[in-house]
Amino acid sequence: DQQVKQNSPSLSVQEGRISILNCDYTNSMFDYFLWYKKYPAEGPTFLISISSIKDKNEDGRFTVFLNKSAKHLSLHIVPSQPGDSAVYFCAASALGHAGKSTFGDGTTLTVKP
Amino acid sequence: GAGVSQSPSNKVTEKGKDVELRCDPISGHTALYWYRQRLGQGLEFLIYFQGNSAPDKSGLPSDRFSAERTGESVSTLTIQRTQQEDSAVYLCASSLEVSGSYEQYFGPGTRLTVT
Repeated sequence: DQQVKQNSPSLSVQEGRISILNCDYTNSMFDYFLWYKKYPAEGPTFLISISSIKDKNEDGRFTVFLNKSAKHLSLHIVPSQPGDSAVYFCAASALGHAGKSTFGDGTTLTVKP
Repeated sequence: GAGVSQSPSNKVTEKGKDVELRCDPISGHTALYWYRQRLGQGLEFLIYFQGNSAPDKSGLPSDRFSAERTGESVSTLTIQRTQQEDSAVYLCASSLEVSGSYEQYFGPGTRLTVT
């Protein structure tokens, strides 16, 4: 069973508009969530994270929202830029199993100029 | 400073042969992780090291897979008797500590193709 799901394989937005990437999880033990960005032929790079004690974390154009009751988190990028075009992975980990992060399958974001 | 490096970047091998994939983590990072990414799929966790110890090997797909780490530095992932389903990009990452709150720094990956 897939514990972290990114149900949209792809998303296309216009430059300057908001991009919203979604992630759902099933394991209520997850208490830390991260978003990574991946360009082709490169390893993922860390983007932003959120602890389960918070419901929002903001870093420049990137904001992550966490809804624990719905077991849902989202990444907002505003304004979107063509350089944001990449695959975005959501990852989750649980206290006591810190070494074992569970990743979603990723969402490919395309920002059109 | 230097990031995580992996070698080789590409490896083509015949079915049944053994392969060794190498990862050099960021200096001072006590935690090291191996993942596999098959085409069009997400990252599949394989194993992590805390120092030179691997507390949880349950993510390794079969007993053909093994990994070791020495000197709290370089790690080697070995796949014996490779099968075509082993074809994937193998990613290594390191972090300062073993904790979900520490971001992982990824290497560029090794693309393994088993013919």
